[in-house]
Amino acid sequence: DAGVIQSPRHEVTEMGQEVTLRCKPISGHNSLFWYRQTMMRGLELLIYFNNNVPIDDSGMPEDRFSAKMPNASFSTLKIQPSEPRDSAVYFCASKGRVDQPQHFGDGTRLSIL
Amino acid sequence: DAKTTQPTSMDCAEGRAANLPCNHSTISGNEYVYWYRQIHSQGPQYIIHGLKNNETNEMASLIITEDRKSSTLILPHATLRDTAVYYCIVRVAHGSGNTGKLIFGQGTTLQVKP
Repeated sequence: DAGVIQSPRHEVTEMGQEVTLRCKPISGHNSLFWYRQTMMRGLELLIYFNNNVPIDDSGMPEDRFSAKMPNASFSTLKIQPSEPRDSAVYFCASKGRVDQPQHFGDGTRLSIL
Repeated sequence: DAKTTQPTSMDCAEGRAANLPCNHSTISGNEYVYWYRQIHSQGPQYIIHGLKNNETNEMASLIITEDRKSSTLILPHATLRDTAVYYCIVRVAHGSGNTGKLIFGQGTTLQVKP
């Protein structure tokens, strides 16, 4: 089975530009999580969805960040406008049944110049 | 969710067992112990989890003390590819108003040496 698929793997853009990160969860999983990892703050949960509905977005840093899950097989995390401090690796994870663990994608390495 | 304490770093010789400790003295009765690892430039990878009994799978063994205040992850025969950051996380089970989100600490950097 394919794992969690994230795209792009790397993104370099100038500050002020809109950035869209994409995630395809494992088929059949009904929970999806977005994390951000930096050297200073480690791995932080930004937002998670259950059955395509955002449940907790308390980790989203500010209004420049938004996430959507239009269907069970796709989610996006958007930053508009982007700033240099948004540079990080962004991970998506999905989870199935209550007793199953989260499975992570390989992340998107984002650099804002 | 309960807080965990792990050593910052550890070394292990290739082929030997790697024993990674984790303290979770404030763990509640309904909280599980989860272990993930993160190899450089990859996403975190699930290893194993348990509630109170010891657990074993193809990757590792998890030993939880009887009072549940600490646990040890054992990699029986460490290889160079096991070099990674290992995270110990405690959380309540999915359900009961919790959808299973994980809170990662700083973890233990395990260096397996030839």
